[in-house]
Amino acid sequence: SAVISQKPSRDICQRGTSLTIQCQVDSQVTMMFWYRQQPGQSLTLIATANQGSEATYESGFVIDKFPISRPNLTFSTLTVSNMSPEDSSIYLCSGKPPGTANTEAFFGQGTRLTVV
Amino acid sequence: QKEVEQNSGPLSVPEGAIASLNCTYSDRGSQSFFWYRQYSGKSPELIMFIYSNGDKEDGRFTAQLNKASQYVSLLIRDSQPSDSATYLCAVILRTGANSKLTFGKGITLSVRP
Repeated sequence: SAVISQKPSRDICQRGTSLTIQCQVDSQVTMMFWYRQQPGQSLTLIATANQGSEATYESGFVIDKFPISRPNLTFSTLTVSNMSPEDSSIYLCSGKPPGTANTEAFFGQGTRLTVV
Repeated sequence: QKEVEQNSGPLSVPEGAIASLNCTYSDRGSQSFFWYRQYSGKSPELIMFIYSNGDKEDGRFTAQLNKASQYVSLLIRDSQPSDSATYLCAVILRTGANSKLTFGKGITLSVRP
């Protein structure tokens, strides 16, 4: 399975600022995703990071708030922009290895974000 | 109806018992089903996946899939305190180039020594 390194592991940020989270995979993956997990909740998909093109966002998430880059097959970033306390959450990236579309996803360690 | 539902829980079982975790899904066309384990403060870890009707066993874990009834379950035999975690059911609701995982809300399992 792929190893996904995510950083920072945690951060405390002031409201109104932005934080960029990085995700590095040790091998090429066909698809990369960004999730949010709010306290006590399950994972909610923010967007699919597309290599070399704009990300595909899920309902309720917009590019201006969560810009995403994926310059190559092993790296992606998620920015949480103009943060408010409601953005306090764990952010997770995941990747799916090459193969059929039915393959499972592997997760990075997560970024625990607290906005004060 | 939510796409992936895990309604029972939290679940508490004594050490050595069988823990049974259930999940239902709404999309009859779903093809792939996964169970993730998440310890507090950690990221999800894949423990089982199943694609075909029936049972799939891996050590103390058995995944069961019934597509006609649209449910998937996870059995943990000889439960250990180290199994105490939140278990997330995930489903790929449609196959295809953009298939993506949809997660249930999770079931918290506590194994009592």
